[in-house]
Amino acid sequence: RKEVEQDPGPFNVPEGATVAFNCTYSNSASQSFFWYRQDCRKEPKLLMSVYSSGNEDGRFTAQLNRASQYISLLIRDSKLSDSATYLCVVLTGGATNKLIFGTGTLLAVQP
Amino acid sequence: EADIYQTPRYLVIGTGKKITLECSQTMGHDKMYWYQQDPGMELHLIHYSYGVNSTEKGDLSSESTVSRIRTEHFPLTLESARPSHTSQYLCASSDRDEDEQFFGPGTRLTVL
Repeated sequence: RKEVEQDPGPFNVPEGATVAFNCTYSNSASQSFFWYRQDCRKEPKLLMSVYSSGNEDGRFTAQLNRASQYISLLIRDSKLSDSATYLCVVLTGGATNKLIFGTGTLLAVQP
Repeated sequence: EADIYQTPRYLVIGTGKKITLECSQTMGHDKMYWYQQDPGMELHLIHYSYGVNSTEKGDLSSESTVSRIRTEHFPLTLESARPSHTSQYLCASSDRDEDEQFFGPGTRLTVL
């Protein structure tokens, strides 16, 4: 079983739609959580960190459920420019303390 | 924009050649990382460094080696390239473990 699992998609949605991505992680000692965005053939860039209380940044909302080891990202009012791969990333903590990347979920927003 | 650079951006080379992928950052970050990513697949950590003269192997076994003689510079070397090394190599740096990692643009390596 992978340490970080995501639905690979693709998610094909029309402009203006609301789309939700889910991610589960296996290491209950994981400390920090992030969503990165990666455009085609480009490097990943941080979209937002995920806090226990949930956090919002404009049209993007991230939530964390430690009990279920589950992270989500909600995008409201999708734009064409949102088309990208969204990577769920977990900092393992402990002695290893490394970032583990999910395979990513591909979002394609259609006009 | 992040101040982290990688060269070359693209490299096509024959089997058996020695290659060095360069990575440098001007942010003064102590922590630097090398990831390998195949198309449509997740990033895999192959090397990391927590500071000068510190290097560690990552989760994915790699035949490459790294060095960290200066804070800003973290080159990756393949002594004898093989077709199985064909992939994208991404360098990253961060100030602390829990902080954002800034990625370079990557090097796309093709070994014929």
